[in-house]
Parts: sequence; structure tokens; C-alpha cells
Amino acid sequence: QSVLTQPPSASGTPGQRVTISCSGSSSNIGSNTVNWYQQLPGTAPKLLIYSNNQRPSGVPDRFSGSKSGTSASLAISGLQSEDEADYYCAAWDDSLNGSWVFGGGTKLTVL
Amino acid sequence: QVQLVQSGAEVKKPGASVKVSCKASGYTFTSYGISWVRQAPGQGLEWMGWISAYNGNTNYAQKLQGRVTMTTDTSTSTAYMELRSLRSDDTAVYYCARKNVDIVATIVWFDPWGQGTLVTVSS
Repeated sequence: QSVLTQPPSASGTPGQRVTISCSGSSSNIGSNTVNWYQQLPGTAPKLLIYSNNQRPSGVPDRFSGSKSGTSASLAISGLQSEDEADYYCAAWDDSLNGSWVFGGGTKLTVL
Repeated sequence: QVQLVQSGAEVKKPGASVKVSCKASGYTFTSYGISWVRQAPGQGLEWMGWISAYNGNTNYAQKLQGRVTMTTDTSTSTAYMELRSLRSDDTAVYYCARKNVDIVATIVWFDPWGQGTLVTVSS
């Protein structure tokens, strides 16, 4: 059971806009920034969004992130077939001795 | 370019130890930390801990305290993660990732990631 809650799956057709949610609590998303990682099949995770809504260089502006309260969202507009991947949200959790916590991951299928 | 290259796959018996390496290149090794994250087959990501390459300070996930040790060798820009008393549920792909910090904004992110090392624990 992951500390951050994501829907296990999402889907869309090419060109569509899809959003993936990530729900946490006051000790993680509520008090710290959220990062998003993309994991293409059989590869290592790759940074997609950091600090809630910042895109690293090289990440297309089709990807955007937002945060409100204890929830965050990743939006992908102009969906492309190469976006088919697993997406994970992550945040620092202040409880106990502190630790990074991840969502369970959302498998995005491009129909 | 910034790159992390990990050691190859390992097969271990229950109760044994494994040591995975992560060689960094393309940046000043001691200016960043290294985080370790693992992924069991078909499962999500689990943070294991991190180490400062500057002073060797560590922060381990509570679940792994006492079984995991993270070290660095600054002469070779290499980070190591050793996990002891292996169990079948330690079977996973183990990733290292560079820990990036913006002290002013107090934000942290992991980028880039190593290619991963599969550790299989089986009798």
C-alpha cells in the first residue's frame, strides 16, 4: 500500500488531454513539493516534473504539473503514442524520521 | 553528459549480502548526493535512502535500518549500496539516482537515474 494514492490506470487517444492524480496528506504533499517520474517499459525512471510544476530541460511543454493542498496532478496534452508509460508521483514525508514516498504508479495507455 | 552506470545483475541466496555500485561521470561527484530506490517485479518504487558524497552522511529508510549500508568512494566517483540478510522479497531492480537540491527553494529531485541492477534472491 503506497503512501501516495494514484489511479492504477489511465488512457486516452492520440491528441487528447489526460490527467493523473496523486493524493497524499499534510505530512507529505501538504507540506512539501511534488515530483513526477516517467518510466517507459523496461527502462529506468526519468524525471518529468519537479517542484510541483517545473519541467527539466528537454521535457516537452505538453507535460504540466500542479498542486493544491494535499493533492497533485500531472496533465499531458496532445497525447502521443510514445507517452505510453508508468507515471509516479513522489514527495518527502515529514513523519517519523522523514522519508521519500512514492505513489503506486499509473499505467497510461494510448489507445 | 551526466551519467550514472551501475554494476551488473546479481543472484544471491537468502541470508547473503549484495553490494551494488553506481559510477558517476559528467559532474563534480562531491557536489551532490546519491539516492537509492528499488522496484520489486511488477511493483512501484520504494526509496531506500541516500548518502552525501560530500561528507558521507546517510539517511536510511526506517524499514531497512540495520540491513543497508551506503558508502561512496570519491577517488573513483562511485557510490555503493550493500544490503545484508537478503530475503526473497528483496528481489528487485535497484536504482541509484543523483540527488539535486535547491537550498534556497528547499526542493529536492532525483535526476538522472542509473540503468538499474537486478538483484534476485533465490535458494
